[in-house]
Amino acid sequence: GAVVSQHPSWVICKSGTSVKIECRSLDFQATTMFWYRQFPKQSLMLMATSNEGSKATYEQGVEKDKFLINHASLTLSTLTVTSAHPEDSSFYICSASSGIIGRGDTQYFGPGTRLTVL
Amino acid sequence: DAKTTQPPSMDCAEGRAANLPCNHSTISGNEYVYWYRQIHSQGPQYIIHGLKNNETNEMASLIITEDRKSSTLILPHATLRDTAVYYCIVRVVQDDKIIFGKGTRLHILP
Repeated sequence: GAVVSQHPSWVICKSGTSVKIECRSLDFQATTMFWYRQFPKQSLMLMATSNEGSKATYEQGVEKDKFLINHASLTLSTLTVTSAHPEDSSFYICSASSGIIGRGDTQYFGPGTRLTVL
Repeated sequence: DAKTTQPPSMDCAEGRAANLPCNHSTISGNEYVYWYRQIHSQGPQYIIHGLKNNETNEMASLIITEDRKSSTLILPHATLRDTAVYYCIVRVVQDDKIIFGKGTRLHILP
């Protein structure tokens, strides 16, 4: 089946530093990838939609200069949290859309990355 | 806006059928009902989806009312591994972005 990986699975960083999270579709090409954030005991919140080769579309209230998204290839999207602060500590999850009709659902989720900012 | 309403939590005995309800009274004619689940500290997992007919796969069954204003996800023989948060979502097409609501936290009791 379609597999999406994320790296790293967890990261701890100091306040003020930048952290990059990778999302890869391992066995399919993903024209669209989505980034979510989830705080403890809350639901997933969509942050942005990225399409390969074009700028990401951010949801209302998400700072595009703080959360940099790059979708440089059909199998890789990266989320960079710039100048991270403790309030950015969260569980970040990506999903990738295969666009292949007939598989039930075309979106596959990664395992998530837990970010802790000290 | 998630467009769906689910009970915050439910309990089910292991081995019994778990029936998870969802209200989507404002659903449009071209919107599908999707169900996902999220086991603690993992990414969401697709379960099933449907438009107006009942659907069944190896994981679950989806029963959609005739007026499409509500649906029920059925896990026929719940196991402890089915303990998770279950999300009912409506969306237009498979590639449309997914907006998660609060979901139902299902506890499977031994």
